[in-house]
Amino acid sequence: SQQGEEDPQALSIQEGENATMNCSYKTSINNLQWYRQNSGRGLVHLILIRSNEREKHSGRLRVTLDTSKKSSSLLITASRAADTASYFCATDRSGANNLFFGTGTRLTVIP
Amino acid sequence: DADVTQTPRNRITKTGKRIMLECSQTKGHDRMYWYRQDPGLGLQLIYYSFDVKDINKGEISDGYSVSRQAQAKFSLSLESAIPNQTALYFCATSDSGTSGGTEQFFGPGTRLTVL
Repeated sequence: SQQGEEDPQALSIQEGENATMNCSYKTSINNLQWYRQNSGRGLVHLILIRSNEREKHSGRLRVTLDTSKKSSSLLITASRAADTASYFCATDRSGANNLFFGTGTRLTVIP
Repeated sequence: DADVTQTPRNRITKTGKRIMLECSQTKGHDRMYWYRQDPGLGLQLIYYSFDVKDINKGEISDGYSVSRQAQAKFSLSLESAIPNQTALYFCATSDSGTSGGTEQFFGPGTRLTVL
């Protein structure tokens, strides 16, 4: 079973707009990670946020974490056509030894 | 990521055949993982290994087996392939860390079709 669930399942925006994706999870975590997957290819790590952090930035990416609501969001600012991909959250669950991936958000950025 | 390679990249086989998927890494990581991805879904963990003598079942290990031949090599076998094992298979690695909390590096994937 999936540990995290992303929302929305699919998102289509115009180039230059911001894209926001959300992730909800069910149990206590050590950290939460976001990954990107281009169609049919391997996942690439984007950013990791620890359970004691509330916000983190990396370039055009901004991640927030609300452990009281067991949710995280990924914001991509000033989107580009090259940002078109699927985005997955993955949780490092307390007491577990591996990551649990969500079902992903498919982002399409229209030029 | 060229540091994690998978062979073959594509494979079509028939029901009942034995299949081996291989993964090699040059990152020097201790930890290696095998996942499967079905269309429109996230990744499900099949097996993982934290060092050469450590093998652990993941969420969906039934019908699969693994071998950690060396720190750099981790192979996945389907002893008798069935059609519902048709999927995209990924190998991943990570460095030793607290509770798997470090990022994982993925191979390019193997697309397996079982007829």
